[in-house]
Amino acid sequence: QQQVKQSPQSLIVQKGGISIINCAYENTAFDYFPWYQQFPGKGPALLIAIRPDVSEKKEGRFTISFNKSAKQFSLHIMDSQPGDSATYFCAASKRETSGSRLTFGEGTQLTVNP
Amino acid sequence: DARVTQTPRHKVTEMGQEVTMRCQPILGHNTVFWYRQTMMQGLELLAYFRNRAPLDDSGMPKDRFSAEMPDATLATLKIQPSEPRDSAVYFCASGLASKDRTSLYEQYFGPGTRLTVT
Repeated sequence: QQQVKQSPQSLIVQKGGISIINCAYENTAFDYFPWYQQFPGKGPALLIAIRPDVSEKKEGRFTISFNKSAKQFSLHIMDSQPGDSATYFCAASKRETSGSRLTFGEGTQLTVNP
Repeated sequence: DARVTQTPRHKVTEMGQEVTMRCQPILGHNTVFWYRQTMMQGLELLAYFRNRAPLDDSGMPKDRFSAEMPDATLATLKIQPSEPRDSAVYFCASGLASKDRTSLYEQYFGPGTRLTVT
């Protein structure tokens, strides 16, 4: 069962444009929603994260928008740059007595053209 | 500069051989995860440990995979015997669980081991 669905699978944006990646989740017990960025040959790196008590979090050019009622959250990359070209994963986590774990989306390959 | 390290970075082996991958978590982190990444399946959680004790290994094929933490600075993932379908990138990640042990949020990934089984 895929608990976190991510779209689109791939995205091409012009330099300076806005990149938007969407995720939807099913489990209302999730209480932490991070985004990871992965460059070829590297491990995923934590980019930005949000908890459901806020609707938006911004760090530099990266913003997470969170809609608890719709069970959706999205990553917005403002003024996209060629260096942002990477694969982006959304994820979700919940508290468990055995210790929380991340459930990842399928990933979005972002290409920012010069 | 604290980071997760993994060895080897690349491994090519023949079917049937034993493969051992090693991970050194960030010093002080008490939770270690093993993931496998393929184009078809994406990022899959294989197993994870808290304070060196296995919490969940339901993602691993039990007959051929094993994961251990001999000490707090070393985690290992072994495949015996290896098969071509095991070809993937294997990532280790570490994090620090909350005092009540129910919350762990940030996970820090290593660079991965790219395994090719021929």
